[in-house]
Amino acid sequence: KAGVTQTPRYLIKTRGQQVTLSCSPISGHRSVSWYQQTPGQGLQFLFEYFSETQRNKGNFPGRFSGRQFSNSRSEMNVSTLELGDSALYLCASSLGLAQGNEQFFGPGTRLTVL
Amino acid sequence: GDSVTQMEGPVTLSEEAFLTINCTYTATGYPSLFWYVQYPGEGLQLLLKATKADDKGSNKGFEATYRKETTSFHLEKGSVQVSDSAVYFCALSDQSQAGTALIFGKGTTLSVSS
Repeated sequence: KAGVTQTPRYLIKTRGQQVTLSCSPISGHRSVSWYQQTPGQGLQFLFEYFSETQRNKGNFPGRFSGRQFSNSRSEMNVSTLELGDSALYLCASSLGLAQGNEQFFGPGTRLTVL
Repeated sequence: GDSVTQMEGPVTLSEEAFLTINCTYTATGYPSLFWYVQYPGEGLQLLLKATKADDKGSNKGFEATYRKETTSFHLEKGSVQVSDSAVYFCALSDQSQAGTALIFGKGTTLSVSS
């Protein structure tokens, strides 16, 4: 079974631009979560989608948004990029919303904002 | 709010040494607890989990026991190998929150030399 895939793997943008990252979950998984990983703040939860609806949201500004499609694929968008948005963005999928469900992580998209 | 605290790294050990990485948590509900591992250049992989008090998670020689009385979930391995060199993250998922959002500790870098 194929794992979680994320595209692109690397991105370089400049301040003020916007960016869209894509995530394809494991087949049969209906929940997709996004995390930001930085050396200073560590791993922080952005949001979670299930059945095309945002179910949970972390403490990030409105510039960070996401969506989920009917095939469970998800995208996240960051508008008006800031230098501090440079990070590894990780997508994770799980079967559903049950608390103990294992989350399977993709390799991440490395975003660099210049 | 909920939080996870794990020991600062890096932890440097010789092959076959005993490993302990301390993890304590604060949660308002009844969390599930996880250890994830991140190898260089890769996403996170679930190492083990425990969903209720006194549960012991184990995998690949690693163990951790969910201790509600001390709010801890320390990771142990009796004999580490060079291939165990990675960053280890302790995490919780709180049942009182919607979905499967994970709250991570800062991570502990383990370096094992032969």
